[in-house]
Amino acid sequence: QTVVTQEPSFSVSPGGTVTLTCGLSSGSVSTGFYPSWYQQTPGQAPRTLIYSTNTRSSGVPDRFSGTILGNKAALTITGAQADDESVYYCVLYLGSFIWVFGGGTKLTVL
Amino acid sequence: QVQLVESGGGVVQPGGSLRLSCAASGFTFTTYGMHWVRQAPGKGLEWVAFIRYDGSKKYYADSVKGRFTISRDNSQNTLYLQMNSLRAEDTAVYYCAKVSGYHFDYWGQGTLVTVSS
Repeated sequence: QTVVTQEPSFSVSPGGTVTLTCGLSSGSVSTGFYPSWYQQTPGQAPRTLIYSTNTRSSGVPDRFSGTILGNKAALTITGAQADDESVYYCVLYLGSFIWVFGGGTKLTVL
Repeated sequence: QVQLVESGGGVVQPGGSLRLSCAASGFTFTTYGMHWVRQAPGKGLEWVAFIRYDGSKKYYADSVKGRFTISRDNSQNTLYLQMNSLRAEDTAVYYCAKVSGYHFDYWGQGTLVTVSS
């Protein structure tokens, strides 16, 4: 069974930069997995941030960027703000119309 | 603007059934695939099922295969999830989401399903 891995938690100082990663239990993440990233605050539906590795969804500030770093997908937040404090999920498309979510990274801004 | 509104959640006993609906508006429903995604209390998101724009193909996570059925009524712009043989571990908020390419671009607000005796 394929597991998508994310850091359980991360912290960043206001104004700082943080990179969250998304890997596979076995193998490397490439653009062919069409990695996407979602932000969720408590009690709210997820919000789409990044898709197809590095394309920002409409209305998402350019402080959020996506890329492939080594064998993982990565989401970088530059100039972190207090309202970036959320859980961030990545999703990988495994092919054959199967998607798998990572376990999410809880980001604290302090 | 795109709107997805889920309904049909509630409390059901283990082994019971429930049908969720997702009413779509603000886009041409008949040309987009749709997903169901769920989130157990305090847990992460889990992809549940996908249906192609015309309903011709359906795909499921292993955890629900054989128990859940995704369907759609394109004349009513509505997506469904029929859930049978429900278990305690199916307790979750269920979201419908619109497909764009290989990602989920719009989400509903979710409906809570609680499986408990």
